Amino acid sequence: GAVVSQHPSRVICKSGTSVKIECRSLDFQATTMFWYRQFPKQSLMLMATSNEGSKATYEQGVEKDKFLINHASLTLSTLTVTSAHPEDSSFYICSARDTRQIANTGELFFGEGSRLTVL
Amino acid sequence: KQEVTQIPAALSVPEGENLVLNCSFTDSAIYNLQWFRQDPGKGLTSLLLIQSSQREQTSGRLNASLDKSSGRSTLYIAASQPGDSATYLCAASMDSNYQLIWGAGTKLIIKP
Repeated sequence: GAVVSQHPSRVICKSGTSVKIECRSLDFQATTMFWYRQFPKQSLMLMATSNEGSKATYEQGVEKDKFLINHASLTLSTLTVTSAHPEDSSFYICSARDTRQIANTGELFFGEGSRLTVL
Repeated sequence: KQEVTQIPAALSVPEGENLVLNCSFTDSAIYNLQWFRQDPGKGLTSLLLIQSSQREQTSGRLNASLDKSSGRSTLYIAASQPGDSATYLCAASMDSNYQLIWGAGTKLIIKP
């Protein structure tokens, strides 16, 4: 299957700093990527849909200025948590769909996730 | 509004047993349904994808079924192994935008 890579896998930062998380599709192109947040023992919560070359679409309740998303190429989307606070500590996961699939099944491939801890 | 439910929340069985994980959804007009595996502190691994026109998909010891009329999908794991221990998530997609609606997951423990 297709591979999605996230970096960093773990990051610890001080309150008030910004953190950037990268999501790369390694062997396919993705015009659309999705960013999720997962709290302990809970399922994934969709934060935003990242669209290559255009603005991201945010889910209700997700602050656009807090979680900056950039999708500058067909293989890279970034999520920047600005002015991070302890309540932003969470597990962030991205996913992507191979846009070249001839018979597009809609299958989504996920990254390994990034654990953010804000002190 | 589509809701996806997974029961039980946790399951513990001895190694070697065959088992079934359940996933139910309230709106039968799904586009597809996907099963994932998540190991602790890790991302998700796609296991099986069933299109709305399909009844089942198989991969190795895994078999997933889909019954839209009853709003159910099951993931069958044959001859379970300790390495199968993980949280299993199902997610339904309602349209071509591929945004997924998630179940809360079933935490599976296979005892050696």
